Amino acid sequence: NAGVTQTPKFQVLKTGQSMTLQCAQDMNHEYMSWYRQDPGMGLRLIHYSVGAGITDQGEVPNGYNVSRSTTEDFPLRLLSAAPSQTSVYFCASRRAGVDQETQYFGPGTRLLVL
Amino acid sequence: AQKVTQAQTEISVVEKEDVTLDCVYETRDTTYYLFWYKQPPSGELVFLIRRNSFDEQNEISGRYSWNFQKSTSSFNFTITASQVVDSAVYFCALSEVYSGGYNKLIFGAGTRLAVHP
Repeated sequence: NAGVTQTPKFQVLKTGQSMTLQCAQDMNHEYMSWYRQDPGMGLRLIHYSVGAGITDQGEVPNGYNVSRSTTEDFPLRLLSAAPSQTSVYFCASRRAGVDQETQYFGPGTRLLVL
Repeated sequence: AQKVTQAQTEISVVEKEDVTLDCVYETRDTTYYLFWYKQPPSGELVFLIRRNSFDEQNEISGRYSWNFQKSTSSFNFTITASQVVDSAVYFCALSEVYSGGYNKLIFGAGTRLAVHP
């Protein structure tokens, strides 16, 4: 099992450019999510999905778009990059269920917006 | 609202010292989960432990131990005989029922631990 994989590892964008951060998991987890990590703030939830075809907003969704066409993949799209989106982005997945299954995180994507 | 506080921003110790990382949480839920994650310099997030609110037993795993006290809303993490490889940022997190049955993690700001030889 590769677990949760993310590409690219690092990206530099200019303001206004768009891009897609890729996330894939091979554990057949129903739940997937995107977090961003900023200095001194821990991680904050951007978007999440409870299954293929179902997505919803987290606490900081503005400027980001997601879709979930398969169980394995959960890409995050930046529509028009802004310097405020400079951050480290983590994708996570876990099994569904009321017994709080542990979230497993990908290695992260470091994004710099100039 | 749910909240996790890690008051220690940075801790510096010398190898073989014991060190405790503090975590205090706030929640209105009667059932909740607490987690610790480690983020080494390479940047990935490594799961360390999960504890539910009904289980107040302390846990020990090698040099790591966790002390969960509901009375003080704390879930502290102790590393015994610290090693240089323990140098990392450690995050405490609390699960929160968010929407549609989905539970998101509320993270503390993290504690950066530096272990010097």
